[in-house]
Amino acid sequence: EIVMTSSPATLSVSPGETATLSCRASQSLSSKLAWFQQKPGQAPRLLIYDTSTRATGIPARFSGSGSGTEYTLTISSLQSEDFAIYYCQQYNDWQWTFGQGTKVEIK
Amino acid sequence: EVQLVESGGDLVQPGGYLRLSCAASGFTFSNYWMHWVRQAPGKGLVWVSRINGDGASTNYADSVKGRFTISRDNAKNTLYLQMNSLRAEDTALYYCARRLTGVGTFDIWGQGTMVTVSS
Repeated sequence: EIVMTSSPATLSVSPGETATLSCRASQSLSSKLAWFQQKPGQAPRLLIYDTSTRATGIPARFSGSGSGTEYTLTISSLQSEDFAIYYCQQYNDWQWTFGQGTKVEIK
Repeated sequence: EVQLVESGGDLVQPGGYLRLSCAASGFTFSNYWMHWVRQAPGKGLVWVSRINGDGASTNYADSVKGRFTISRDNAKNTLYLQMNSLRAEDTALYYCARRLTGVGTFDIWGQGTMVTVSS
């Protein structure tokens, strides 16, 4: 099983600033990495897949990058609706695994 | 509208069983792999199981292998999760999710159904 490690656990950011979230895998993912956003009481929403491809309807302020075992989600010019928990997920191995999540909170 | 709606969650005693359902609408259900993902209260997401489009191929997380069975009825556009020998650690919100075509991740999620295992 591939272990995914998210960092930081909590990120305090002011509206309008940029948030940078990291995800590390225990082995190479060949870019098979997705990011999800989850708000309280809601199901996760797919933001990014294949490391850097935005899902349908996702604003351009969300961007992904990385390779091998290191991946990043960048949220530019944070809006009020962006404060949430973000999960990375690998699908390079059939035992799909998620990071433990990064909570982006208002500073 | 593409939609997944889970049902069947309940309070059950340890050692008991439950069957979850996920009704799909708005897309050709048989064309898609489907998954179950769970989330314990206040915790992160954990993949549980997946099934391919015709139901011939399945996979399970080690934590549920031998106790849970995923299946589907394409005529009814419904996904199932039969859960036996339930344990306290199976307590979670269970989501069904659709695999994004050509990609291994999940593009559509239901709202979840809550399973509580407690005496």
